[in-house]
Amino acid sequence: DGGITQSPKYLFRKEGQNVTLSCEQNLNHDAMYWYRQDPGQGLRLIYYSQIVNDFQKGDIAEGYSVSREKKESFPLTVTSAQKNPTAFYLCASSISTGFLRGTEAFFGQGTRLTVV
Amino acid sequence: AQTVTQSQPEMSVQEAETVTLSCTYDTSENNYYLFWYKQPPSRQMILVIRQEAYKQQNATENRFSVNFQKAAKSFSLKISDSQLGDTAMYFCAFIALFSGSRLTFGEGTQLTVNP
Repeated sequence: DGGITQSPKYLFRKEGQNVTLSCEQNLNHDAMYWYRQDPGQGLRLIYYSQIVNDFQKGDIAEGYSVSREKKESFPLTVTSAQKNPTAFYLCASSISTGFLRGTEAFFGQGTRLTVV
Repeated sequence: AQTVTQSQPEMSVQEAETVTLSCTYDTSENNYYLFWYKQPPSRQMILVIRQEAYKQQNATENRFSVNFQKAAKSFSLKISDSQLGDTAMYFCAFIALFSGSRLTFGEGTQLTVNP
């Protein structure tokens, strides 16, 4: 079945450590996104990518990094520079071209990151 | 850059009644799509309804309909005959048709349907 998979579901990190969240899709989507969700706040865009080997910063990119070496994969690294990394992280993918952008974006089930 | 604003952090409605969630957006684009997504307690995002900006007719999907006012940059969601399963966080979202591929969400509205 086609879909988008995030792993792990829960992740614990010690302060000062980098950690990488995985996002894989087999929907043949060009566009992929990372969002952060905090209690009482909406989905804030961290990074997005429209095509392989290219990505753009969103609204809260500081302390995060991404790569897009394959169409199917868009991993997010939370670095030690991120001051408050404890949050729920959502990955999404969609068709990126023209009128097909109006089709549904598919979301993973999220990763809950906790700094201990 | 576009912004999406949802001014109602929380709303509640009695079962079987009608409720309207508000969304405004700001953009210089003329061609775009607008969406309402639902996030139930499972946190899985579900598309509720979408609207093409170039269509004047408001979109409807069963009990869900929108009131799209392009000049006012307003995009509200009406839920009729509310059901307990409608309890969720609702997000309004925007994507331009041609420039970039940034999918922007609002802050969300937590809707509670009471029995």
